[in-house]
Formats: sequence, C-alpha cells, structure tokens
Amino acid sequence: GENVEQHPSTLSVQEGDSAVIKCTYSDSASNYFPWYKQELGKGPQLIIDIRSNVGEKKDQRIAVTLNKTAKHFSLHITETQPEDSAVYFCAASIRSSNTGKLIFGQGTTLQVKP
Amino acid sequence: EAQVTQNPRYLITVTGKKLTVTCSQNMNHEYMSWYRQDPGLGLRQIYYSMNVEVTDKGDVPEGYKVSRKEKRNFPLILESPSPNQTSLYFCASRRLSKNIQYFGAGTRLSVL
Repeated sequence: GENVEQHPSTLSVQEGDSAVIKCTYSDSASNYFPWYKQELGKGPQLIIDIRSNVGEKKDQRIAVTLNKTAKHFSLHITETQPEDSAVYFCAASIRSSNTGKLIFGQGTTLQVKP
Repeated sequence: EAQVTQNPRYLITVTGKKLTVTCSQNMNHEYMSWYRQDPGLGLRQIYYSMNVEVTDKGDVPEGYKVSRKEKRNFPLILESPSPNQTSLYFCASRRLSKNIQYFGAGTRLSVL
C-alpha cells in the first residue's frame, strides 16, 4: 500500500535560518500533498498543499516543491521564527478517490531557537 | 466558529472498561475520520465515514468500533480497551468534494 517517508524526525534551527523537511511517497497515483502543522496540545492544521499538476507553491514564508518523477516533495520555511516551532506532518492522497484517505509521514519536530 | 470537537480531551482508564470518545463537527461535512497518533508512526487512520450510516475500516481498525447515526457526530468506541490502545486520537472531517481535512484538538487516552 501507499507509504510516506518523512525526514528528518527532528530539526533544530536558529531563528532567521531556513528549515527544509522532505517526504517521499510510494504510490505514483497520489496527486494531492498537504502539509500540516501541529502545535502543542492542538490538532494538526493545514498550512499549505500542492497538487500534482504544480511543481511549486508559495505562501509568504512557506513553500512546497514537488518532484513527481522522483516521487518526493518538500516543505521550505524561510526566516524561521520561534512560533514556527511545532510538529510538521506531510501527507499524500489520491484526490480523485472518494475515500480521500490521507497517508501521513512520521512527523518532524521543528525547534526554532531564539 | 467552524470546528471539530472531541471529548474528553484526556482519559485514563483500565483494561476492559468500555469507553466512548465523542466527535462532533458543525460544518455539515459528509466525511469524518478517526486517526491515532503514535511516536515515530505519524497519524494512522482507524475508521472513516463518507456519510450517515456509511462507515469503513482504515489501516488500524482492530479493537475499535464507530457509528454514524447523524451527520455531525462520529463516536469512537473501545469495547474492551487494552494497553496497546494508549495513544493520542484525532477526529477529522471534510467535504467529500474537497481534500482539506479539519482536525479536532485530540484525545489523549491511557489504558492501564
């Protein structure tokens, strides 16, 4: 079945630096790739997503890139701030599927040091 | 305010004592789902429902039951909890025509 691998599991950066989290997926039929941010004591919240007909998407300080050939996608956070500290999850799904099942990566704990 | 509400937020119980975790959404979403989150494993789907009276197994359904008698509610039932069901549980919902899932705040369950 579909599998999503996420790296690294933990990431520590200095405030103002960039952070990059990478995911690979196994099912070539996957065409929807969301990223979720989970703050302490809260549920995951969608921060950005990308569909397979797009190679890159940007929203202020966050961007996601997708390489369909290599079956991997990445989250880029620039000018990191302490409030970016959280657990980040990537996910993949087949958008045309009614089940809408999201397969999640293992999560990355990002720590931004002031 | 659009939201997914789970109760309780924290629960400590003993092996074999039946429990129910409630989930309610006020967005009129057709699709609802339960996940469990364990360290190093991410979120794994337990059960999902595409509409009232329609439920199906996810990846880790063993030991769990669900029901969908009303569109807004999707309770998770553990008939005989065991320690390996100690986990953080999330309920989520979305429109069938959309991919964006909205998550509840989570229920941390400990089974002793």
